[in-house]
Amino acid sequence: GNSVTQMEGPVTLSEEAFLTINCTYTATGYPSLFWYVQYPGEGLQLLLKATKADDKGSNKGFEATYRKETTSFHLEKGSVQVSDSAVYFCALSDRTSGTYKYIFGTGTRLKVLA
Amino acid sequence: DSGVTQTPKHLITATGQRVTLRCSPRSGDLSVYWYQQSLDQGLQFLIQYYNGEERAKGNILERFSAQQFPDLHSELNLSSLELGDSALYFCASSLDSLTDTQYFGPGTRLTVL
Repeated sequence: GNSVTQMEGPVTLSEEAFLTINCTYTATGYPSLFWYVQYPGEGLQLLLKATKADDKGSNKGFEATYRKETTSFHLEKGSVQVSDSAVYFCALSDRTSGTYKYIFGTGTRLKVLA
Repeated sequence: DSGVTQTPKHLITATGQRVTLRCSPRSGDLSVYWYQQSLDQGLQFLIQYYNGEERAKGNILERFSAQQFPDLHSELNLSSLELGDSALYFCASSLDSLTDTQYFGPGTRLTVL
């Protein structure tokens, strides 16, 4: 079945450091891929998405490229801020029986130190 | 703010009890999804409703049930609660069942003592 694998956390970085959070997937067909962010005590917020191979999703300085050849959707940001501290979830949309449900990775906690 | 609302924010109850979690989707969205987030299982899809009808089932226990009402709000009913049911329960909504972008509510934290 479809699945998503994320790098284990926590990831601890200093402010202004470069961020990469790895995400790989297995899927039949061509799912859309998503990154969601969960700030402490809050729900999940859609960060970015990509719907087909070579698409690049971007938002708030974060970006990720849908790589079909490596089945990856790594999240990157050039310069992180303390306010980026949160848990990041990679997900794919699994379309079966004519409807979509998400399959999530386990989440990666990011801590950014001032 | 995603536009999806969930009540209550927190719920504390005892084993064997029954609770109801409520979700109101974003205005205009017809599809509602329920997810459970626990430390050991991560985020898992439970069930989806579209315009009042069940459309997909995930890892939902038989002790759990859901429904979507004519005004499109949804309720998740959890009965015969066990300690292991303690988790965050999220509701998400999307425009319809063919739209793959979902918007999540703030969640209900359930603690079973």
